[in-house]
Amino acid sequence: AQKITQTQPGMFVQEKEAVTLDCTYDTSDQSYGLFWYKQPSSGEMIFLIYQGSYDEQNATEGRYSLNFQKARKSANLVISASQLGDSAMYFCAMTPWMDSSYKLIFGSGTRLLVRP
Amino acid sequence: DADVTQTPRNRITKTGKRIMLECSQTKGHDRMYWYRQDPGLGLRLIYYSFDVKDINKGEISDGYSVSRQAQAKFSLSLESAIPNQTALYFCATSDPPRTGGTDTQYFGPGTRLTVL
Repeated sequence: AQKITQTQPGMFVQEKEAVTLDCTYDTSDQSYGLFWYKQPSSGEMIFLIYQGSYDEQNATEGRYSLNFQKARKSANLVISASQLGDSAMYFCAMTPWMDSSYKLIFGSGTRLLVRP
Repeated sequence: DADVTQTPRNRITKTGKRIMLECSQTKGHDRMYWYRQDPGLGLRLIYYSFDVKDINKGEISDGYSVSRQAQAKFSLSLESAIPNQTALYFCATSDPPRTGGTDTQYFGPGTRLTVL
């Protein structure tokens, strides 16, 4: 079964420090995409970063990087130099490309609170 | 202007009422999705459409129907709303994966629906 696990329901980080949000996934497919989304208190879902299963290098987008360890089936999000505006829910998601719907399978999320 | 818009943004209705949620996109994407999010959970797929003539059920389609009126418009209907359909509803769009493509899904702002 395809599944995303986020084991940290909530986390705190001090402003300007780095933080790692954990994500592990379970799939028997060889081809898949991994995504992170941010959901602030206003409710919208904001795309942050993507990693393909065949990508050899870890993805980076500004202050976001994805620590992809394929053998361990983990796709942790690293946020460097945290800002107060980073306080939000963060969802890890996967698209198994053998699934004809290309749907996103979501984890249960991690709530991040950045302290001033 | 937002690339993916949803109307209404908030709606309160009564059990048994018919309600329609609308989604429009200016991204020119072929694929459109409807998800629902229940409190404290990730998103689950209701319906998806890969073009105007293509409609497919997702994992939780019971009690819902959809209409793809045009490439840019995808509506979700609750024929007879019930309280356990109270949730946050998201529309999303994506482009088909090309060689090396990501099929990233971009979300609308969400519709908060309450069924009394």
